[in-house]
Amino acid sequence: GQNIDQPTEMTATEGAIVQINCTYQTSGFNGLFWYQQHAGEAPTFLSYNVLDGLEEKGRFSSFLSRSKGYSYLLLKELQMKDSASYLCAAKGNFNKFYFGSGTKLNVKP
Amino acid sequence: DAGVIQSPRHEVTEMGQEVTLRCKPISGHNSLFWYRQTMMRGLELLIYFNNNVPIDDSGMPEDRFSAKMPNASFSTLKIQPSEPRDSAVYFCASSLAGDNVLTFGAGSRLTVL
Repeated sequence: GQNIDQPTEMTATEGAIVQINCTYQTSGFNGLFWYQQHAGEAPTFLSYNVLDGLEEKGRFSSFLSRSKGYSYLLLKELQMKDSASYLCAAKGNFNKFYFGSGTKLNVKP
Repeated sequence: DAGVIQSPRHEVTEMGQEVTLRCKPISGHNSLFWYRQTMMRGLELLIYFNNNVPIDDSGMPEDRFSAKMPNASFSTLKIQPSEPRDSAVYFCASSLAGDNVLTFGAGSRLTVL
C-alpha cells in the first residue's frame, strides 16, 4: 500500500529556518516532490528529488534518502508569505502521485 | 498557456442532484488526474488518464462517481446522485508523461447540502 506521513502543523518565526519532514512508502518509487499550497488555492510545484542528496533552489532545499524512505523540505530566511501548507508527494508506478495530508506552516513576525 | 482550467469554481447543490465538474488540461499534456481534497483525508487521487484512456480508477469512491475524457482537451467528473459527504474541493491536474511536474487547476469547491 501507499503511505505518506508528515507533521500536521508547524510554527516558525520570520527570518528563521524550518525543516518539514516526510516519510513515504509506495509501490514503486520514481521521485519525491514537494508542493506549496496557500489557503484556497491550488498546489504549486516546489521541488523534486529522484536521487539521494540535497537539491537547492534559492531559499528552499529538499533532501532525499531512498533507503530510509525519508525526505525533508528546508526553508531558509522565512518570510510571512511562506505561510502555507506544504505537501509531500511520492511518484509510484504508472505515473501515479501519492500526496501526504500536508504540513500547515505558520510564520510569525 | 492559460494553465489547467476547471469549472465551475464553486457549486452548491442539494443531496441527490447530479454534479458535473469539467477540466481542460494544458495543451500538449497527455496525462490527466482528478484529485479530491478534504481536511480529513488530504489530497486523494480519484482517477487518472494517459492519452485519454483511464489507467487507474481505483481511487473512485463508489459507483456514483464516473469520469470521462472524450478527447485530449477535455475531461469530466460526474457524481450522481450527490451526497453531503462528497463535499470537497476537486482538483484536476495534468502533466506530460515522462515529465515530473503536475500542474493543478484552481479547483472546484463542491458543497452538497
